[in-house]
Amino acid sequence: GIQVEQSPPDLILQEGANSTLRCNFSDSVNNLQWFHQNPWGQLINLFYIPSGTKQNGRLSATTVATERYSLLYISSSQTTDSGVYFCAVAWAGNMLTFGGGTRLMVKP
Amino acid sequence: DTEVTQTPKHLVMGMTNKKSLKCEQHMGHRAMYWYKQKAKKPPELMFVYSYEKLSINESVPSRFSPECPNSSLLNLHLHALQPEDSALYLCASSRGGGNTGELFFGEGSRLTVL
Repeated sequence: GIQVEQSPPDLILQEGANSTLRCNFSDSVNNLQWFHQNPWGQLINLFYIPSGTKQNGRLSATTVATERYSLLYISSSQTTDSGVYFCAVAWAGNMLTFGGGTRLMVKP
Repeated sequence: DTEVTQTPKHLVMGMTNKKSLKCEQHMGHRAMYWYKQKAKKPPELMFVYSYEKLSINESVPSRFSPECPNSSLLNLHLHALQPEDSALYLCASSRGGGNTGELFFGEGSRLTVL
């Protein structure tokens, strides 16, 4: 099956700092999503981005499908950004496979 | 409305109990999923239903039994579970078809098996 690797695994930021999270995948994909999992466990959709660039407020994402990676940018981080960020890809039909996640802590 | 509703939010059961987790969506999606997530791990796929038919079973033990009564509902029947089955169970839906499209997740059902 497809391999999905996220880096860094853990990240500590001071409030107001910027960060870049990376997702590498081992095969062509037809779906790539970024999620934020809050402390209560809910997976919140951030981006559906199999290719190209999208922006939503302080967050933006870029997927370079030909080079098999995606980046999630967080600017002017806030304490509410804390949690786990997952990249997930689908390469065959409906099978969405998750990376290991990046655990982010934003300190006030 | 991009909402997937799961009940119950929390469940505690003994190893001899029978219980069910329920999931509902009204987005007209035709693919529904069960994922299992252990602490500090990513979600792992258990089952996929496409157009109300089971299309993927990721070698899940038979003590977990999925059911899709109609295109809006997905159940997970639990019987004779083990303590190691304690986890967060996440339901998701997507439009379905060859390219699954964006998945939307419910808040999860946190299961504890005593």
